[in-house]
Amino acid sequence: EAGVTQFPSHSVIEKGQTVTLRCDPISGHDNLYWYRRVMGKEIKFLLHFVKESKQDESGMPNNRFLAERTGGTYSTLKVQPAELEDSGVYFCASGRGLVDEQYFGPGTRLTVT
Amino acid sequence: AQSVTQLGSHVSVSEGALVLLRCNYSSSVPPYLFWYVQYPNQGLQLLLKYTSAATLVKGINGFEAEFKKSETSFHLTKPSAHMSDAAEYFCAVRGRSSNTGKLIFGQGTTLQVKP
Repeated sequence: EAGVTQFPSHSVIEKGQTVTLRCDPISGHDNLYWYRRVMGKEIKFLLHFVKESKQDESGMPNNRFLAERTGGTYSTLKVQPAELEDSGVYFCASGRGLVDEQYFGPGTRLTVT
Repeated sequence: AQSVTQLGSHVSVSEGALVLLRCNYSSSVPPYLFWYVQYPNQGLQLLLKYTSAATLVKGINGFEAEFKKSETSFHLTKPSAHMSDAAEYFCAVRGRSSNTGKLIFGQGTTLQVKP
């Protein structure tokens, strides 16, 4: 069984540009999560999809962040326009049910200069 | 609001020594509790979890953790450290009554194992 994959692994962009991160969950996992870790800080929850619906988006920092999960398969997280404080590692995780284990991807390291 | 505190951002032990990583939580109702490990350039991997059964939870790679409600703690231990245990460890909680799988993480503890 393939694990959670994320693309790209690294992204370096300039302030004001747009970046789109992609997450492919484990096949059959209805629940998909995005988390972020800013350097030196704890990992923080961004949002939770159940299939294609946003179950909880309480962690989204502001309206520059847009997450989608069309068709309930892969998900994208777009940052537009990017700011310096958006730099960090973005993790995606997926799970079968709400209380089941969350399987994490390797993360995308985003650097905004 | 729930929160998690991991005492010590860096812990160093000698190979073969006891590993003790501390985690305290704050929650009005005992939550689900998790320990994750992250090896370099990899995603987080679940070590163990506490739901509501036995308070002593055994996980992978010889790790275990004990839930102590009176101390609001969920410390991670391993009797004998191996070099391969060097990694970053995260304690996390999830609310029982929540309708979301949102995990709240501690700050992480980097474990160094010296030969």
